Amino acid sequence: NAGVTQTPKFRVLKTGQSMTLLCAQDMNHEYMYWYRQDPGMGLRLIHYSVGEGTTAKGEVPDGYNVSRLKKQNFLLGLESAAPSQTSVYFCASSYYRGRNEQYFGPGTRLTVT
Amino acid sequence: DAKTTQPTSMDCAEGRAANLPCNHSTISGNEYVYWYRQIHSQGPQYIIHGLKNNETNEMASLIITEDRKSSTLILPHATLRDTAVYYCIAGAYNTDKLIFGTGTRLQVFP
Repeated sequence: NAGVTQTPKFRVLKTGQSMTLLCAQDMNHEYMYWYRQDPGMGLRLIHYSVGEGTTAKGEVPDGYNVSRLKKQNFLLGLESAAPSQTSVYFCASSYYRGRNEQYFGPGTRLTVT
Repeated sequence: DAKTTQPTSMDCAEGRAANLPCNHSTISGNEYVYWYRQIHSQGPQYIIHGLKNNETNEMASLIITEDRKSSTLILPHATLRDTAVYYCIAGAYNTDKLIFGTGTRLQVFP
């Protein structure tokens, strides 16, 4: 099993550009999450999904959109990137409510200039 | 979810036990204590979780006080590879999400 994979690993955007980060998991997990991590800080939850076709806001959802059209994939979109969105983005998945062990991907390092 | 408090940083000699404390004095009865760690630049890794009984797995032991207001993660024989940021999180059994804080930076030295 590949576990949780993220695409791309690195990206540089100009202010105002858009992009989509892809997260994929092959563990048949119900729950998926997107976090961001800024230097010297812990992880902050952006959006999450409790199942295919569902999404919900986390702590810092502004400026991001997500979609979960297939159970194994969770997409994070930036419609108009801003320098404040420069961060490392981590995706995670977990089985379901009551089994909250989360499995994380390797991260995407995004720089917005 | 209950707030957790951890020391910012700790040191431990290689081969010794690393004891990482966590305070969660406002934890409620249905909240578990979860521990994760994040080795430099990698995605966090789940370590262990517990409700009120002590727990042990191949990575670590979790000791929760009887009043559940604090806990300690124990790495019995720390190695240099255990150098990481360790996160203690309180989350309800039926929660949809876990809230990560800033964790404890553990430095294992030779």
